[in-house]
Amino acid sequence: KNEVEQSPQNLTAQEGEFITINCSYSVGISALHWLQQHPGGGIVSLFMLSSGKKKHGRLIATINIQEKHSSLHITASHPRDSAVYICAVPRMYSGGGADGLTFGKGTHLIIQP
Amino acid sequence: TAGITQAPTSQILAAGRSMTLRCTQDMRHNAMYWYRQDLGLGLRLIHYSNTAGTTGKGEVPDGYSVSRANTDDFPLTLASAVPSQTSVYFCASSAEYMNTEAFFGQGTRLTVV
Repeated sequence: KNEVEQSPQNLTAQEGEFITINCSYSVGISALHWLQQHPGGGIVSLFMLSSGKKKHGRLIATINIQEKHSSLHITASHPRDSAVYICAVPRMYSGGGADGLTFGKGTHLIIQP
Repeated sequence: TAGITQAPTSQILAAGRSMTLRCTQDMRHNAMYWYRQDLGLGLRLIHYSNTAGTTGKGEVPDGYSVSRANTDDFPLTLASAVPSQTSVYFCASSAEYMNTEAFFGQGTRLTVV
């Protein structure tokens, strides 16, 4: 079973700060997902990446497959970035298949004006 | 584009009653999933379907059943609800079972009393 650990669990920062959320996992994977969930809201996919770095607006995701670690960065943070950010990896089974995702417990981010 | 639609949005259910949570997607995705989200435990996989006509058990399948008669629909049935099934339920889909972006419904908040 792939264990997914996120840190920090909670993060409060001031508007404009550079934010980093970390994710580590225990079993090698082919791709990792970063998701966003606003309070009371649905879940939105931010990134799926298998190597290197991806950027979308002020969000940057990086992954190091060898070290089994990924980071999500937010530049010039804004109060609307306040949400729960969740890291997820495939639920791998023997034979190389997958059946859904295993999730970290999420990082609750609050950006204060 | 609707994406994934779940119904109902919320429900209060008496213990011992049965209920079906509906999930429909219009993206012609092969893979569909049901997750439950609980405070402190995060998202956990209940059942999955990698393609129409097939289903499988996830991490927490007890008390739930699913069917996948066609590509678009993936209903989740609670045969005899218990209070521990109080949770927020998310249906999700992806084009394939591996390495493709995950799309989530808006969630169904179920309270079993």
